[in-house]
Amino acid sequence: DAGITQSPRHKVTETGTPVTLRCHQTENHRYMYWYRQDPGHGLRLIHYSYGVKDTDKGEVSDGYSVSRSKTEDFLLTLESATSSQTSVYFCAISPPSLAGAQGTPHYNEQFFGPGTRLTVL
Amino acid sequence: ELKVEQNPLFLSMQEGKNYTIYCNYSTTSDRLYWYRQDPGKSLESLFVLLSNGAVKQEGRLMASLDTKARLSTLHITAAVHDLSATYFCAVDSNDYKLSFGAGTTVTVRA
Repeated sequence: DAGITQSPRHKVTETGTPVTLRCHQTENHRYMYWYRQDPGHGLRLIHYSYGVKDTDKGEVSDGYSVSRSKTEDFLLTLESATSSQTSVYFCAISPPSLAGAQGTPHYNEQFFGPGTRLTVL
Repeated sequence: ELKVEQNPLFLSMQEGKNYTIYCNYSTTSDRLYWYRQDPGKSLESLFVLLSNGAVKQEGRLMASLDTKARLSTLHITAAVHDLSATYFCAVDSNDYKLSFGAGTTVTVRA
């Protein structure tokens, strides 16, 4: 168990309403990620964070914002939800790699939360 | 932009036979990950491949990485029902981000 929880696990909302999804980790890792999963697209990165108040955009960031005021929490906000944002949202964390240990390079294995299924009507 | 292509996207396997899933990617990387996802569940890490020629095996699954060909394979030996799932490869672009393939949905039939 990677120590990641997401809330809510399911949400149905209406177009135009704001929605905030929460990712909480107990591992104290720097790197946290938000993805969306849609059929035929795999997982696509929305935003990620490399520390408190340090965030950056992924490939599908339009319509989403994030905040990270504490190491353990990474929030994803849909300011005005649209039907195209109906999806399953996954949060992930990435522990520090064993960089330099016996020649092992940096790497970025990610561990995923249970997901939030969001439906926008 | 790093593109990752998996094929096939759907794979119907017969129990006891061997199969391979392919993961091609478009730019240089020597780090690749395989994940498994059961229906309605989250992603579970299967393999971490960190260099050219890396090979990892776990049970009936074996993953390998050829960085020169920009290709990873996931080989399934003697398929059994509990291997039915969706398998994703993810390529590390060396900037703390991963790019995922679309996934291969595997169904194992008797």
